Amino acid sequence: EAGVAQSPRYKIIEKRQSVAFWCNPISGHATLYWYQQILGQGPKLLIQFQNNGVVDDSQLPKDRFSAERLKGVDSTLKIQPAKLEDSAVYLCASTDGRSWSYNEQFFGPGTRLTVL
Amino acid sequence: GESVGLHLPTLSVQEGDNSIINCAYSNSASDYFIWYKQESGKGPQFIIDIRSNMDKRQGQRVTVLLNKTVKHLSLQIAATQPGDSAVYFCPLSGGYNKLIFGAGTRLAVHP
Repeated sequence: EAGVAQSPRYKIIEKRQSVAFWCNPISGHATLYWYQQILGQGPKLLIQFQNNGVVDDSQLPKDRFSAERLKGVDSTLKIQPAKLEDSAVYLCASTDGRSWSYNEQFFGPGTRLTVL
Repeated sequence: GESVGLHLPTLSVQEGDNSIINCAYSNSASDYFIWYKQESGKGPQFIIDIRSNMDKRQGQRVTVLLNKTVKHLSLQIAATQPGDSAVYFCPLSGGYNKLIFGAGTRLAVHP
């Protein structure tokens, strides 16, 4: 079974530039997550999708971050404009969502963003 | 409220020894308690989980112990190998398919 795919793996930009990350979840997984992981910290949930609808985006900085999952499959996360503190690894995860309370989340390898 | 805490940020062990990684939690309402492992340059990977009505569950070389009385969770790794070197997380199950991660414990395995 193919895992969660993310691209690009690495990105270096200057502050105030824009950047976009792409994620393709495991086939058939209804729930998709974007996490931000700053060096030395655990992943922090930014947004959770159920199919093409947003379940939770309470920790997404909406003034600069946006995410979409238009057809309920792959997803993009965009930052515009980027700040130095956005330097982090952006992880995408998916789950089949069959259980209400808990399902194993499968993570992609992440995109490491460096903002200069 | 929900919180995750790990007793030690870094744990160093000799190859072949047993490792014990501890986790304290505050949310008693969780149905599941979960361990994830994150190797350098990779995303977190599920290791093992335990339901709240159990106190012990064993996997391959790993055992998870749950003590709900003192709100303590531990992961035991038998015969630790270099490939076990990683950061270990015990995220809280935060409601509808949500995971809330703390900082994790780094396990360093020395030959």
